[in-house]
Amino acid sequence: QQQVKQSPQSLIVQKGGISIINCAYENTAFDYFPWYQQFPGKGPALLIAIRPDVSEKKEGRFTISFNKSAKQFSLHIMDSQPGDSATYFCAASIENSWGKLQFGAGTQVVVTP
Amino acid sequence: ETGVTQTPRHLVMGMTNKKSLKCEQHLGHNAMYWYKQSAKKPLELMFVYNFKEQTENNSVPSRFSPECPNSSHLFLHLHTLQPEDSALYLCASRVGPGGGTGELFFGEGSRLTVL
Repeated sequence: QQQVKQSPQSLIVQKGGISIINCAYENTAFDYFPWYQQFPGKGPALLIAIRPDVSEKKEGRFTISFNKSAKQFSLHIMDSQPGDSATYFCAASIENSWGKLQFGAGTQVVVTP
Repeated sequence: ETGVTQTPRHLVMGMTNKKSLKCEQHLGHNAMYWYKQSAKKPLELMFVYNFKEQTENNSVPSRFSPECPNSSHLFLHLHTLQPEDSALYLCASRVGPGGGTGELFFGEGSRLTVL
């Protein structure tokens, strides 16, 4: 059973546009929600993370929105750039579970010039 | 070297071969992980080691055999694999519960093809 569901599978956005990726989870015990970014030929790298005591976290052009009651969280990439073209994974875990992250299936983002 | 290093980066093996994947982390972390990445599927957690002790085996077939001789090194021994085992195998490490930010640091992966 997939514990974290991610959509869309892929998206194409023009340079300067907004990319939005959505995730939903089932386990209400999850208390750590990171997003990872993966470029071709590389391993995933942490982009931004949120804990459920806040509804939004922003780091530069990247923002996580978190809705605890709906068990959903999303990543917004503002002013998307060609260098943002990558695969993005949402994930969730119970913080003290030795980092056993449950990942979404990933979203391939392509930013066109 | 810094970070998490995986070797080999690419491996082609027959179903009767025996091979090993190696992972080394230079971050002083306490926990190490093997993940399997297949196209269009979530990353699948395979094994977790903390302080060299295996704390998670996520129902992985016995043809995959992990080994963690110390907190810096992790191996995945492979034998009699199936074509469906072809995937990118990712190693990761982190500080451990109660320490750090919870971030997993991944290596670049070993691309395995089973013929």
